[in-house]
Amino acid sequence: NAGVMQNPRHLVRRRGQEARLRCSPMKGHSHVYWYRQLPEEGLKFMVYLQKENIIDESGMPKERFSAEFPKEGPSILRIQQVVRGDSAAYFCASSLGTGGNNEQFFGPGTRLTVL
Amino acid sequence: TQLLEQSPQFLSIQEGENLTVYCNSSSVFSSLQWYRQEPGEGPVLLVTVVTGGEVKKLKRLTFQFGDARKDSSLHITAAQPGDTGLYLCAGPPSAGNMLTFGGGTRLMVKP
Repeated sequence: NAGVMQNPRHLVRRRGQEARLRCSPMKGHSHVYWYRQLPEEGLKFMVYLQKENIIDESGMPKERFSAEFPKEGPSILRIQQVVRGDSAAYFCASSLGTGGNNEQFFGPGTRLTVL
Repeated sequence: TQLLEQSPQFLSIQEGENLTVYCNSSSVFSSLQWYRQEPGEGPVLLVTVVTGGEVKKLKRLTFQFGDARKDSSLHITAAQPGDTGLYLCAGPPSAGNMLTFGGGTRLMVKP
């Protein structure tokens, strides 16, 4: 049973370019979460999605950031017109359901470097 | 905002020593999860504690959830170099399904 998969593992972009980060949840999981980890900081929640729906995007910047989880295919976190401050590790997690006891399993992350 | 504070932030010990890491909040959590993260990798779930006062053991690791479900601790017995890593506690806030993370404890165990 494959775990959460993310690609690419490393992504380098120049300022102003777009970054697309992909996440395939664990088999059977329909809940996906994106978190960002800035250097020397903890993980911060960005967005929570179910298939074809954004459930909670309270942690995601209003501009330049968007996320989707289509009916078919991986979840995608898209960052337009990247700036140096977007350099971070972006982690995707998935869970089987919801509720306080539902465990989230994390992927290996995508490390974005903006030059 | 429900915050989780971890202490200590950094811990460097010799192989064979015991240690305890703390995760505290002023808010009640329905559950708390402990993760371990190694450089360049994602957090790996170690345990979930749900019931106030609950104690769970994972080999040399002992996890405890406070009676009031506001705090948790991780105790490692006879630490080994392989225990080196970033230990994170996390829990779901009262409203929402995302996880709130503590700042982490960076543990280094020297041989």
